[in-house]
Amino acid sequence: QQQVKQSPQSLIVQKGGISIINCAYENTAFDYFPWYQQFPGKGPALLIAIRPDVSEKKEGRFTISFNKSAKQFSLHIMDSQPGDSATYFCAANSGNTPLVFGKGTRLSVIA
Amino acid sequence: DAMVIQNPRYQVTQFGKPVTLSCSQTLNHNVMYWYQQKSSQAPKLLFHYYDKDFNNEADTPDNFQSRRPNTSFCFLDIRSPGLGDAAMYLCATSTTGTGRSFYNEQYFGPGTRLTVT
Repeated sequence: QQQVKQSPQSLIVQKGGISIINCAYENTAFDYFPWYQQFPGKGPALLIAIRPDVSEKKEGRFTISFNKSAKQFSLHIMDSQPGDSATYFCAANSGNTPLVFGKGTRLSVIA
Repeated sequence: DAMVIQNPRYQVTQFGKPVTLSCSQTLNHNVMYWYQQKSSQAPKLLFHYYDKDFNNEADTPDNFQSRRPNTSFCFLDIRSPGLGDAAMYLCATSTTGTGRSFYNEQYFGPGTRLTVT
């Protein structure tokens, strides 16, 4: 049973556009929701994370929106750039348990 | 800079020949993880340690073993690699904590790409 469902599987966005990746979770005990960015041949890098006591967190061009009642959270990349082309993973956990990852979204930003 | 280091970055082994991958960290984190990642898939957790307390995922094959001799180092041993074990192996670390200000940030190493011939 997949506990974190991520969509879309792949995404193509024009340079300067907004990239939106969505995740839904099932376990209401989850209290930490990070997003990771992974370039080919590299390890995942923590991009931004949120706790459920806030509905939005913004860091530069990256924003997490969190909807606790719907059990959904999303990553928005504003002014998308070709350098943002990577695979993005959402994840979730509770307390000190291991992260549960979504299946990933391959983002391509084209000029 | 504090970091997670994996050696080697690329490893080629023969079918059935034991191989050991290593991970070290300068973050002084008490939790260490080993993941397997195949192409176009999410990382799959194999094991993790809370300090010396070893936790094995239920579906991790017996062919995979791990050692953590101290806080800084962790090893992944593949006793008899098969073709299906070819993958990227990722080490990660985190700390444990409590409270609303605690973020369970997990940091990954660059990975070791294992090829089985």
